[in-house]
Amino acid sequence: QVQLVESGGGVVQPGRSLRLSCAASGFSFSSYAMHWVRQAPGKGLEWVAVISHDGINKYYADSVKGRFTISRDNSKNTLYLQMNSLRGEDTAVYYCARELRPGSLEDWGQGTLVTVSS
Amino acid sequence: EIVLTQSPATLSLSPGERATLSCRASQSVSSYLAWYQQKPGQAPRLLIYDASNRATGIPARFSGSGSGTDFTLTISSLEPEDFAVYYCQQRSNWPPVFTFGPGTKVDIK
Repeated sequence: QVQLVESGGGVVQPGRSLRLSCAASGFSFSSYAMHWVRQAPGKGLEWVAVISHDGINKYYADSVKGRFTISRDNSKNTLYLQMNSLRGEDTAVYYCARELRPGSLEDWGQGTLVTVSS
Repeated sequence: EIVLTQSPATLSLSPGERATLSCRASQSVSSYLAWYQQKPGQAPRLLIYDASNRATGIPARFSGSGSGTDFTLTISSLEPEDFAVYYCQQRSNWPPVFTFGPGTKVDIK
């Protein structure tokens, strides 16, 4: 079955960097666009970024543009999110998700918590 | 940028009652309108895609409707496991970015 497993979260100081990973299994990873979505504690869902199936096209939310980079390694079935210049408002659970059909997110990981604090 | 508004913020109902949740867009959206359910400590679960299609394994009591700027998620008869937060989400035509609404919490009356 489809499995998405995020890792790499933790506590990081403001201004520092962190890289999240999402290991995918149970489907043809290289065939699907993949997303990152985050959720601050007690808040709603915020879309972060998307990468096309081949890694060529990438789009970001304005709140992370220029600081975060989404990438993928189809040979390793892994999605990444490089987060630089982290701020307190980036504190959230970060989910990776698969866009099975255009415009919606069918499959989600369990999330990894990123806490930005001094 | 398209903004999604959901109403009401909270809906207090009893099991067996009908729930009607609204999602309104600041401008006309494409057919890419989805609904998700999220329970505490869990990842979101896709319920409805393309405004009115149930995702795999979603019970028939969940239905979606609407077009343009106004969309509705209806739960015909609430089961105990349906008490949760519900989010709508749209994808813009260009650039193809996603936006979530603020959510509606359905709680037990």
